[in-house]
Amino acid sequence: AQSVTQLDSQVPVFEEAPVELRCNYSSSVSVYLFWYVQYPNQGLQLLLKYLSGSTLVESINGFEAEFNKSQTSFHLRKPSVHISDTAEYFCAVSEVGSGYNKLIFGAGTRLAVHP
Amino acid sequence: EPEVTQTPSHQVTQMGQEVILRCVPISNHLYFYWYRQILGQKVEFLVSFYNNEISEKSEIFDDQFSVERPDGSNFTLKIRSTKLEDSAMYFCASSLGQQETQYFGPGTRLLVL
Repeated sequence: AQSVTQLDSQVPVFEEAPVELRCNYSSSVSVYLFWYVQYPNQGLQLLLKYLSGSTLVESINGFEAEFNKSQTSFHLRKPSVHISDTAEYFCAVSEVGSGYNKLIFGAGTRLAVHP
Repeated sequence: EPEVTQTPSHQVTQMGQEVILRCVPISNHLYFYWYRQILGQKVEFLVSFYNNEISEKSEIFDDQFSVERPDGSNFTLKIRSTKLEDSAMYFCASSLGQQETQYFGPGTRLLVL
């Protein structure tokens, strides 16, 4: 069985500062890794994903995450945050080769960007 | 851009009542999912659905729950006799293929009194 741990429930940061949201996973098999974002009163939106290949993946709005197999981590980073990045961020995994792509989520990290 | 929609956005019901939560997945998607998030807890997988049958379900998805695709566009989650602990945000998702990105709806917030 897989599990996902997001070490920080809340991360306050000032605008234009860098941020890292941490995600560690546990699994006995290979996994795909995802970051979803939930803006207030909206559904979950895929931010970025790692399926294979380069361990560094990027989103269109400046976020990036790096898959580290030895540390079983998939931390999310952004070098300079904006007020509009305020949201809840969820790390998730799904088992490679599983039939139906069930997602296992972490508890979420609430990013609060202050002016 | 196509999106998953869910209705209602909020529902309040009495314990023991039946509720039906509705979802319209993205039109060409073939795989459908329900997840839920109890307040303050993780988003949890409930069930996946493909080719008009359940393909996988979690231990949460007991006999009180059922899913259906009654027509070519809707995907529903029914809870037959709601309990207080069913109070949660319920998310529907759909994907084009097995290992494809899941697109989530905005959720239905269910409150059981």
